[in-house]
Amino acid sequence: QSALTQPASVSGSPGQSITISCTGTSNDVGGYNYVSWYQQHPGKAPKLMIYDVTKRPSGVSNRFSGSKYGNTASLTISGLQAEDEADYFCSSYKSSSFVVFGGGTKLTVL
Amino acid sequence: QVQLEQSGAEVKKPGASVKVFCKSSGYTFTAYYLHWVRQAPGQGLEWMGIINPSGGSTSYAQKFQGRVTMTRDTSTSTIYMELSSLRSEDTAVYYCARGLDIVATIPPSWFDYWGQGTLVTVSS
Repeated sequence: QSALTQPASVSGSPGQSITISCTGTSNDVGGYNYVSWYQQHPGKAPKLMIYDVTKRPSGVSNRFSGSKYGNTASLTISGLQAEDEADYFCSSYKSSSFVVFGGGTKLTVL
Repeated sequence: QVQLEQSGAEVKKPGASVKVFCKSSGYTFTAYYLHWVRQAPGQGLEWMGIINPSGGSTSYAQKFQGRVTMTRDTSTSTIYMELSSLRSEDTAVYYCARGLDIVATIPPSWFDYWGQGTLVTVSS
């Protein structure tokens, strides 16, 4: 059982927007602005997409954005493209555990 | 360019130990924390621990305390992760990942570069 809760799957059509939620507690997501998001294609290593809740690393498309409200963080992907189909994991700093992850969400582009 | 190159797949019997390495290149090895994260088949990510390549200090997730040892060799820019008393539940892909720079004033919270992963299979 993962520390952070994500929906198992989401789907959307090309061009649409989708949002993936990540729910924790006041000891992790809600207590710190240190939420990050990773994209993982099958058989590949995770790729950092968002860090510190809203920041995008250099080279990541501005179609990816992050936000947080209370104990829930969200990743929004706008203008869905076929290449966005992947697993997405959230993570957060947690004082007693350093880093905790969500269970992952499978994004299907219809 | 930053690269983290990991050792190859391993097959171990229950009760044995495994040692995986991760060789860094393309940046100053001693300037950034390095982490180990594992992923069981079809499962999510699990943080195992962190090492400061400069001084060698480590912190481990409570779940792995007593079973994991992380070390580094600054002469080869390589870190190692040894996991002992292996059981079937340890079957997973083990990743090394680069974290924040060691002078960062914020806690470790994200990983910008990842190794390719090392599959460790524990089976009798």
